[in-house]
Amino acid sequence: QKEVEQNSGPLSVPEGAIASLNCTYSDRGSQSFFWYRQYSGKSPELIMSIYSNGDKEDGRFTAQLNKASQYVSLLIRDSQPSDSATYLCAGHGSSNTGKLIFGQGTTLQVKP
Amino acid sequence: KAGVTQTPRYLIKTRGQQVTLSCSPISGHRSVSWYQQTPGQGLQFLFEYFSETQRNKGNFPGRFSGRQFSNSRSEMNVSTLELGDSALYLCASHPAFETEAFFGQGTRLTVV
Repeated sequence: QKEVEQNSGPLSVPEGAIASLNCTYSDRGSQSFFWYRQYSGKSPELIMSIYSNGDKEDGRFTAQLNKASQYVSLLIRDSQPSDSATYLCAGHGSSNTGKLIFGQGTTLQVKP
Repeated sequence: KAGVTQTPRYLIKTRGQQVTLSCSPISGHRSVSWYQQTPGQGLQFLFEYFSETQRNKGNFPGRFSGRQFSNSRSEMNVSTLELGDSALYLCASHPAFETEAFFGQGTRLTVV
């Protein structure tokens, strides 16, 4: 069973701090990974895509991929209360497909 | 560019009935996937369509079916509804395989 695993949290950080969200995956063949943010009652919103080893930065967000360790992370700098949401990590279940396998999500709480 | 459009947004059905959900992908996207999201199971893959062909199917009973039309719009159908089918049903469109998925607002189905 190909899996993506996340700590469900909640992860609580003070406003202005760095939030670190982590994800591991079991399928070494997975090449691309995505982070989605989901507010309560809403649909997932894509915030980061990462396709190669290393770091990718976009504004306050940095995604990190380590294929050797089968590990993906998302760092949120200068966390804001509006960042409070569930963060979903997803990877492609197999090649040449659009199918995504999602982790259970990590709930982030940013306290003012 | 318009996003992914799902209709209806909310549905209440009775056990034993059937339901059809609709999804219009982002213009130019030919790949559509469907997911079921429940509090206990998270986001579970239902099926994926590309050029009117089902490419992948998740581990759901045969009561769940779908199709895609020549204009890339997709529908999913659930027959003989059960209480456990109450969930948020999400449609996502992809620009290509192994790339990011963009989600619609979802259809909230309640079976009573």
